[in-house]
Amino acid sequence: QKEVEQNSGPLSVPEGAIASLNCTYSDRGSQSFFWYRQYSGKSPELIMFIYSNGDKEDGRFTAQLNKASQYVSLLIRDSQPSDSATYLCAVHNQAGTALIFGKGTTLSVSS
Amino acid sequence: EAQVTQNPRYLITVTGKKLTVTCSQNMNHEYMSWYRQDPGLGLRQIYYSMNVEVTDKGDVPEGYKVSRKEKRNFPLILESPSPNQTSLYFCASSQGLALTDTQYFGPGTRLTVL
Repeated sequence: QKEVEQNSGPLSVPEGAIASLNCTYSDRGSQSFFWYRQYSGKSPELIMFIYSNGDKEDGRFTAQLNKASQYVSLLIRDSQPSDSATYLCAVHNQAGTALIFGKGTTLSVSS
Repeated sequence: EAQVTQNPRYLITVTGKKLTVTCSQNMNHEYMSWYRQDPGLGLRQIYYSMNVEVTDKGDVPEGYKVSRKEKRNFPLILESPSPNQTSLYFCASSQGLALTDTQYFGPGTRLTVL
C-alpha cells in the first residue's frame, strides 16, 4: 500500500502571497498525481493533475513534480481568502484500482 | 450538467437499522468508488467498481456492501449500521484510472449512527 504524506498545517499566508503545499509519496512507481481542493463540509474538487517531471501551470496554480525525490507540490500565486481550504494530494495505487489520498493540508489566507 | 448525485445528504439513524445511500452519475463513467472521510484519517476507499457487475473491496470494506447493476448507479448498503460508521461519505466516478482520468465527487452524505 503506497502512502501519501502531507503536512496537516495549518499553513497561514497573507493575501497576495505565494502558498506552497507539499506532498511526498512512497511508491516510486507512481505515475500520475492529483491536487484536489476541499472546502469545509464540501466535496473535493480537482485543481489539476501532473504526470511529467517539471512544472505545470494553470492560472494562479502551478504543480511541480520531482519523481527522483518522490515529491509533488502545489504553488498558489496571489493567494486569496477564497483559497482558504484543505488541499488533498492523491496518487494512483500500484494496482490501478484506486486513488490514494493524503490527509490534506489546511491553508488559511488572511486579508 | 455533468454530475454525481448522492441521496440522502444527511441521515441520522440507529444501530442495526439497514440503510442504503444511493449514488448516480450521468457522465457514462466506467469507474465508481465510495469513500469515507473522518477527521485525522482523511479519505479512505470503501469499495470500488471498474465497470458493471465488477466490484471489489477498498481499504475499509467491513460493514458495507455495494452493487453495480447499471453503469450509472452504485449504491452503498449498510446492513447493520454501528456508531463507528458515523462519517462523511463520498461517491466518486471517473472514466477509468488512466493517467489523466479525473475523479468527480458527489456532494457527500453525512451519516450519524446512534
